[in-house]
Amino acid sequence: SQKIEQNSEALNIQEGKTATLTCNYTNYSPAYLQWYRQDPGRGPVFLLLIRENEKEKRKERLKVTFDTTLKQSLFHITASQPADSATYLCAPIQNTGFQKLVFGTGTRLLVSP
Amino acid sequence: DTEVTQTPKHLVMGMTNKKSLKCEQHMGHRAMYWYKQKAKKPPELMFVYSYEKLSINESVPSRFSPECPNSSLLNLHLHALQPEDSALYLCASSHGILSGANVLTFGAGSRLTVL
Repeated sequence: SQKIEQNSEALNIQEGKTATLTCNYTNYSPAYLQWYRQDPGRGPVFLLLIRENEKEKRKERLKVTFDTTLKQSLFHITASQPADSATYLCAPIQNTGFQKLVFGTGTRLLVSP
Repeated sequence: DTEVTQTPKHLVMGMTNKKSLKCEQHMGHRAMYWYKQKAKKPPELMFVYSYEKLSINESVPSRFSPECPNSSLLNLHLHALQPEDSALYLCASSHGILSGANVLTFGAGSRLTVL
Protein backbone atom coordinates (compact mmCIF):
# COMPACT_ATOMS: atom_id res chain seq x y z
CA SER A 1 0.00 0.00 0.00
CA GLN A 2 1.03 3.61 -0.46
CA LYS A 3 2.76 5.28 2.46
CA ILE A 4 4.03 8.79 3.09
CA GLU A 5 6.20 9.08 6.17
CA GLN A 6 7.69 12.13 7.81
CA ASN A 7 9.80 12.48 10.96
CA SER A 8 7.43 11.13 13.59
CA GLU A 9 9.03 12.95 16.48
CA ALA A 10 8.91 16.70 16.88
CA LEU A 11 12.02 18.46 15.66
CA ASN A 12 13.48 20.90 18.19
CA ILE A 13 16.11 23.35 17.00
CA GLN A 14 17.60 26.63 18.09
CA GLU A 15 16.88 29.90 16.39
CA GLY A 16 19.31 30.63 13.58
CA LYS A 17 20.01 26.98 12.77
CA THR A 18 18.86 25.11 9.67
CA ALA A 19 15.90 22.77 10.09
CA THR A 20 15.77 19.74 7.80
CA LEU A 21 12.53 17.80 7.48
CA THR A 22 12.20 14.49 5.66
CA CYS A 23 9.41 13.06 3.53
CA ASN A 24 9.74 9.43 2.44
CA TYR A 25 7.20 7.71 0.25
CA THR A 26 6.64 4.10 -0.85
CA ASN A 27 4.54 2.66 -3.66
CA TYR A 28 4.28 6.10 -5.22
CA SER A 29 5.71 7.48 -8.44
CA PRO A 30 4.96 11.14 -7.90
CA ALA A 31 5.32 13.66 -10.67
CA TYR A 32 4.97 16.48 -8.11
CA LEU A 33 5.55 16.96 -4.45
CA GLN A 34 3.97 19.78 -2.44
CA TRP A 35 4.86 21.10 1.01
CA TYR A 36 2.43 22.85 3.33
CA ARG A 37 2.67 24.49 6.72
CA GLN A 38 -0.08 24.13 9.33
CA ASP A 39 -0.47 26.14 12.52
CA PRO A 40 -2.60 24.74 15.38
CA GLY A 41 -6.33 25.02 14.70
CA ARG A 42 -5.79 26.45 11.20
CA GLY A 43 -5.86 25.05 7.68
CA PRO A 44 -2.63 24.11 5.89
CA VAL A 45 -0.93 26.81 3.83
CA PHE A 46 0.92 25.98 0.62
CA LEU A 47 4.66 26.65 0.67
CA LEU A 48 6.46 25.03 -2.25
CA LEU A 49 5.94 22.65 -5.16
CA ILE A 50 8.67 20.65 -6.84
CA ARG A 51 8.38 18.61 -10.04
CA GLU A 52 9.99 15.21 -10.62
CA ASN A 53 12.46 16.67 -13.12
CA GLU A 54 13.60 19.33 -10.65
CA LYS A 55 16.27 18.45 -8.14
CA GLU A 56 15.87 21.53 -5.99
CA LYS A 57 13.54 24.49 -5.51
CA ARG A 58 14.10 27.59 -3.38
CA LYS A 59 11.91 30.34 -1.99
CA GLU A 60 13.47 32.84 0.38
CA ARG A 61 14.73 30.80 3.38
CA LEU A 62 13.07 27.60 2.17
CA LYS A 63 14.63 24.90 0.03
CA VAL A 64 13.12 21.64 -1.16
CA THR A 65 14.91 18.74 -2.81
CA PHE A 66 13.34 15.78 -4.58
CA ASP A 67 15.17 12.50 -5.11
CA THR A 68 13.00 10.08 -7.08
CA THR A 69 15.64 7.33 -6.76
CA LEU A 70 15.64 7.49 -2.97
CA LYS A 71 11.88 8.24 -2.97
CA GLN A 72 12.51 11.15 -0.68
CA SER A 73 12.05 14.89 -0.39
CA LEU A 74 13.95 17.09 2.04
CA PHE A 75 12.62 20.43 3.24
CA HIS A 76 15.11 22.92 4.65
CA ILE A 77 14.48 26.15 6.55
CA THR A 78 17.65 28.20 6.91
CA ALA A 79 18.18 30.81 9.63
CA SER A 80 15.13 29.42 11.43
CA GLN A 81 13.00 31.69 13.61
CA PRO A 82 10.51 30.95 16.41
CA ALA A 83 7.77 32.03 13.95
CA ASP A 84 8.70 28.99 11.82
CA SER A 85 7.35 26.72 14.58
CA ALA A 86 4.49 24.77 13.03
CA THR A 87 3.64 21.38 11.55
CA TYR A 88 4.95 20.78 8.06
CA LEU A 89 3.13 18.40 5.71
CA CYS A 90 4.34 16.87 2.46
CA ALA A 91 2.11 15.55 -0.30
CA PRO A 92 3.54 13.54 -3.22
CA ILE A 93 1.16 13.53 -6.18
CA GLN A 94 1.04 11.05 -9.04
CA ASN A 95 0.18 12.24 -12.52
CA THR A 96 -2.59 9.77 -13.30
CA GLY A 97 -6.31 10.43 -13.42
CA PHE A 98 -7.83 12.73 -10.85
CA GLN A 99 -5.21 14.21 -8.57
CA LYS A 100 -5.74 13.34 -4.94
CA LEU A 101 -3.70 15.39 -2.52
CA VAL A 102 -2.91 13.01 0.35
CA PHE A 103 -0.71 14.28 3.14
CA GLY A 104 2.16 12.63 4.94
CA THR A 105 2.12 12.14 8.68
CA GLY A 106 3.52 15.64 9.28
CA THR A 107 6.50 16.89 11.29
CA ARG A 108 6.11 19.33 14.15
CA LEU A 109 8.94 21.86 14.19
CA LEU A 110 9.75 23.81 17.35
CA VAL A 111 12.26 26.66 17.05
CA SER A 112 13.39 28.00 20.39
CA PRO A 113 14.90 31.47 20.87
CA ASP B 1 -10.05 37.57 -3.00
CA THR B 2 -7.68 34.72 -2.15
CA GLU B 3 -9.63 33.20 0.70
CA VAL B 4 -11.70 30.17 1.49
CA THR B 5 -14.33 30.99 4.09
CA GLN B 6 -15.83 28.31 6.31
CA THR B 7 -18.82 28.64 8.61
CA PRO B 8 -19.45 28.04 11.38
CA LYS B 9 -16.06 28.11 13.09
CA HIS B 10 -17.37 25.93 15.90
CA LEU B 11 -20.33 23.56 15.97
CA VAL B 12 -21.63 21.39 18.78
CA MET B 13 -24.32 18.88 17.91
CA GLY B 14 -26.08 15.89 19.36
CA MET B 15 -26.10 12.50 17.68
CA THR B 16 -29.69 12.99 16.47
CA ASN B 17 -29.20 16.50 15.07
CA LYS B 18 -28.95 17.53 11.43
CA LYS B 19 -26.52 20.34 10.70
CA SER B 20 -24.44 21.65 7.82
CA LEU B 21 -20.97 23.04 7.33
CA LYS B 22 -20.51 25.66 4.64
CA CYS B 23 -17.58 26.70 2.50
CA GLU B 24 -17.24 29.53 -0.01
CA GLN B 25 -14.50 30.71 -2.35
CA HIS B 26 -14.40 33.47 -4.97
CA MET B 27 -11.09 32.68 -6.64
CA GLY B 28 -12.69 31.09 -9.70
CA HIS B 29 -11.47 27.66 -8.61
CA ARG B 30 -13.35 24.74 -10.14
CA ALA B 31 -12.31 22.05 -7.65
CA MET B 32 -13.38 21.92 -4.02
CA TYR B 33 -12.48 19.50 -1.26
CA TRP B 34 -13.50 18.36 2.20
CA TYR B 35 -10.87 17.05 4.60
CA LYS B 36 -11.28 15.74 8.14
CA GLN B 37 -8.53 16.22 10.71
CA LYS B 38 -8.24 14.58 14.11
CA ALA B 39 -5.85 15.86 16.77
CA LYS B 40 -2.15 15.29 15.99
CA LYS B 41 -2.99 13.64 12.65
CA PRO B 42 -2.71 14.96 9.09
CA PRO B 43 -5.85 16.04 7.22
CA GLU B 44 -7.63 13.07 5.59
CA LEU B 45 -9.33 13.52 2.25
CA MET B 46 -13.10 12.92 2.28
CA PHE B 47 -14.60 14.30 -0.95
CA VAL B 48 -13.51 16.10 -4.09
CA TYR B 49 -15.79 18.05 -6.43
CA SER B 50 -14.72 19.11 -9.89
CA TYR B 51 -16.94 21.44 -11.91
CA GLU B 52 -19.71 20.87 -9.33
CA LYS B 53 -19.66 17.10 -9.82
CA LEU B 54 -18.51 14.64 -7.17
CA SER B 55 -15.27 13.16 -8.50
CA ILE B 56 -13.81 11.43 -5.45
CA ASN B 57 -15.50 9.92 -2.40
CA GLU B 58 -12.99 8.29 -0.09
CA SER B 59 -15.48 5.71 1.22
CA VAL B 60 -16.95 8.20 3.65
CA PRO B 61 -19.98 7.00 5.71
CA SER B 62 -23.33 8.18 4.40
CA ARG B 63 -23.99 10.22 7.54
CA PHE B 64 -21.75 12.79 5.78
CA SER B 65 -23.43 14.13 2.65
CA PRO B 66 -21.59 16.67 0.48
CA GLU B 67 -23.25 19.11 -1.86
CA CYS B 68 -21.84 21.58 -4.37
CA PRO B 69 -24.67 23.96 -5.38
CA ASN B 70 -22.37 26.03 -7.59
CA SER B 71 -18.69 26.48 -8.30
CA SER B 72 -18.23 28.86 -5.36
CA LEU B 73 -20.07 26.93 -2.66
CA LEU B 74 -19.54 23.61 -0.95
CA ASN B 75 -21.65 22.19 1.85
CA LEU B 76 -21.25 19.19 4.10
CA HIS B 77 -24.52 17.95 5.55
CA LEU B 78 -24.24 16.08 8.83
CA HIS B 79 -26.80 13.66 10.20
CA ALA B 80 -26.74 11.00 12.93
CA LEU B 81 -23.08 11.56 13.66
CA GLN B 82 -21.09 9.70 16.27
CA PRO B 83 -18.82 11.19 18.95
CA GLU B 84 -15.80 9.84 17.03
CA ASP B 85 -16.76 12.17 14.17
CA SER B 86 -15.67 15.10 16.31
CA ALA B 87 -12.80 16.74 14.42
CA LEU B 88 -11.66 19.80 12.49
CA TYR B 89 -13.32 19.82 9.06
CA LEU B 90 -11.32 21.63 6.43
CA CYS B 91 -12.53 22.89 3.09
CA ALA B 92 -10.09 23.63 0.26
CA SER B 93 -10.21 24.70 -3.36
CA SER B 94 -7.90 24.56 -6.36
CA HIS B 95 -7.95 25.48 -10.05
CA GLY B 96 -8.61 21.90 -11.04
CA ILE B 97 -7.83 18.28 -10.29
CA LEU B 98 -6.11 17.09 -13.43
CA SER B 99 -2.60 18.23 -12.54
CA GLY B 100 -0.45 17.73 -9.48
CA ALA B 101 0.72 21.30 -10.00
CA ASN B 102 -2.63 22.52 -8.69
CA VAL B 103 -2.12 23.77 -5.16
CA LEU B 104 -4.84 23.85 -2.56
CA THR B 105 -6.07 26.90 -0.68
CA PHE B 106 -7.56 25.89 2.65
CA GLY B 107 -10.11 27.52 4.87
CA ALA B 108 -9.55 27.92 8.61
CA GLY B 109 -11.77 24.95 9.34
CA SER B 110 -14.94 24.17 11.29
CA ARG B 111 -14.38 22.56 14.68
CA LEU B 112 -17.13 19.98 15.18
CA THR B 113 -17.99 18.40 18.51
CA VAL B 114 -20.54 15.58 18.60
CA LEU B 115 -22.03 14.89 22.02
